[in-house]
Amino acid sequence: EPEVTQTPSHQVTQMGQEVILRCVPISNHLYFYWYRQILGQKVEFLVSFYNNEISEKSEIFDDQFSVERPDGSNFTLKIRSTKLEDSAMYFCASSESMDGANVLTFGAGSRLTVL
Amino acid sequence: QKEVEQNSGPLSVPEGAIASLNCTYSDRGSQSFFWYRQYSGKSPELIMSIYSNGDKEDGRFTAQLNKASQYVSLLIRDSQPSDSATYLCAVKRSYNKLIFGAGTRLAVHP
Repeated sequence: EPEVTQTPSHQVTQMGQEVILRCVPISNHLYFYWYRQILGQKVEFLVSFYNNEISEKSEIFDDQFSVERPDGSNFTLKIRSTKLEDSAMYFCASSESMDGANVLTFGAGSRLTVL
Repeated sequence: QKEVEQNSGPLSVPEGAIASLNCTYSDRGSQSFFWYRQYSGKSPELIMSIYSNGDKEDGRFTAQLNKASQYVSLLIRDSQPSDSATYLCAVKRSYNKLIFGAGTRLAVHP
């Protein structure tokens, strides 16, 4: 079964450092997303991406965050200067289309720990 | 008012029983609803989707939707210890944005 692949599975970084989280969406999917989940809290939407541009972003997705599709397979989330409160599990997801019935497939997640 | 509300649990049921999980949502215009299962430290895994009022059955799982009451539920029949997880209710918004509830922790004991 096709899957969304995320790397690294766990990253530890110092506050103020830049972090790049990588995702390989399912090959025929056209829509890509990042969600995050702080430990013990709910899954929160960060950003959706289609046709090489952001479709929608949440209030969490401020100027410290950026997304990019640098080639035909990868989809990245960059945090420019990490803060302690960025510690969370970051989930990448992808979907074939945007219609209401279409479902998102999530990757296994990247755990980010900011010290 | 939270956009998607769920009881946090834990909901404890004996093996073989029916587990009933509930969710309410605030946006009356919502059209697509999902139940995800999340094991500790893992990613959400889709269990069921439902778009029309009424019941939708898939194996041991039944999703129920009542748009007038803004209520979604998930029934798990013949609950197994392997069903022990957190169940997330999610409502779809624009551009496939999912709004998740905080989840209900289900514990199935032998």
